[in-house]
Amino acid sequence: DTAVSQTPKYLVTQMGNDKSIKCEQNLGHDTMYWYKQDSKKFLKIMFSYNNKELIINETVPNRFSPKSPDKAHLNLHINSLELGDSAVYFCASSPGHEQFFGPGTRLTVL
Amino acid sequence: DAKTTQPTSMDCAEGRAANLPCNHSTISGNEYVYWYRQIHSQGPQYIIHGLKNNETNEMASLIITEDRKSSTLILPHATLRDTAVYYCIVRALNQAGTALIFGKGTTLSVSS
Repeated sequence: DTAVSQTPKYLVTQMGNDKSIKCEQNLGHDTMYWYKQDSKKFLKIMFSYNNKELIINETVPNRFSPKSPDKAHLNLHINSLELGDSAVYFCASSPGHEQFFGPGTRLTVL
Repeated sequence: DAKTTQPTSMDCAEGRAANLPCNHSTISGNEYVYWYRQIHSQGPQYIIHGLKNNETNEMASLIITEDRKSSTLILPHATLRDTAVYYCIVRALNQAGTALIFGKGTTLSVSS
């Protein structure tokens, strides 16, 4: 009964490739987020969607494109991967005050 | 940038209370204080939040000073599983999609 799930858990790929990370929540929340945690463990917001509409788009390269096909899903597509994209990516959903985080996807770009 | 200041690390003996302080001297009237924690290799986990009054739930207690410029998270009986990075975050909930701005947090080490 995972509330927020992400696939894959680990992703190892070569520079220049295009990859996607999927996120699904079964909590019925309207708002979903993508956060990035770098090697120094800093957690930063990337995107926020509310009812499938983009609300927040922090200073993120346009190689990153979120897609929300419905309220329960927020996928992250990354084009032309670079070494600096290596990080753990967390999806989250929220009904308001509390944010529920997924287990994370560890992306390694070689 | 994070609007809070927390000690980098703290130690606590198992079974004792862990008191984690947080300074948020520039907090606005409509901003809440939130606490999250991140256990190694897991996603952040919500603990508790408050606006003005002290709050308690099954995980912890939150004490907010009267001037709201600082707060303390209390884990009443710390266990080894409470070892984690604890984040104090201030955030206004005035619109959907308001993100959490994480600082460096406090690394709490609970030992037996």
